[in-house]
Amino acid sequence: DAEITQSPRHKITETGRQVTLACHQTWNHNNMFWYRQDLGHGLRLIHYSYGVQDTNKGEVSDGYSVSRSNTEDLPLTLESAASSQTSVYFCASSPGIAGGSYEQYFGPGTRLTVT
Amino acid sequence: GEDVEQSLFLSVREGDSSVINCTYTDSSSTYLYWYKQEPGAGLQLLTYIFSNMDMKQDQRLTVLLNKKDKHLSLRIADTQTGDSAIYFCAETPGGGSTLGRLYFGRGTQLTVWP
Repeated sequence: DAEITQSPRHKITETGRQVTLACHQTWNHNNMFWYRQDLGHGLRLIHYSYGVQDTNKGEVSDGYSVSRSNTEDLPLTLESAASSQTSVYFCASSPGIAGGSYEQYFGPGTRLTVT
Repeated sequence: GEDVEQSLFLSVREGDSSVINCTYTDSSSTYLYWYKQEPGAGLQLLTYIFSNMDMKQDQRLTVLLNKKDKHLSLRIADTQTGDSAIYFCAETPGGGSTLGRLYFGRGTQLTVWP
């Protein structure tokens, strides 16, 4: 069955380290998204991509980067981890068909702790 | 930007109906969605409604849309303890550079008491 996976599911890292969170989908979806979820803030969009070689900043993109070299993967990199980036990170994908319903399908999440 | 508002908490007794409400500001919204999040899990798409509809029913779930008032609701009939979760309302704008993005409310924590 097609799916969307995230790895690792849990990560503890130290302040200042570079961290990459993986997201992989097998639906062949054009659109992919990264969100962070924090108590009191709901879901906030970090970066998104409408296709290979396309990336866009969301509302909370500072300190994060993404690259899209193929359809299946959108890795999220924290260039220099900060304690404020302790959060649960969700990846999502969407078919992205013009005129379609644009629903997004979410991965299980990665819980990141920056000490 | 687009603004989606929900009440934060709702408690109901098992067997009763639950109604979760949502308001949004973008009059060009094309689709509106309801997601469910159980503890430790990702968001699961429950249902969605196109903006030219005013109601959609799917088994125990009924979605009502009042486009004039920009009000969306999710009714869960015969609520069960397994329905306890956070429910997110979301909308997607009609076009432009934000096409394909979803704007989420902060979520409503539904607690079902036995």
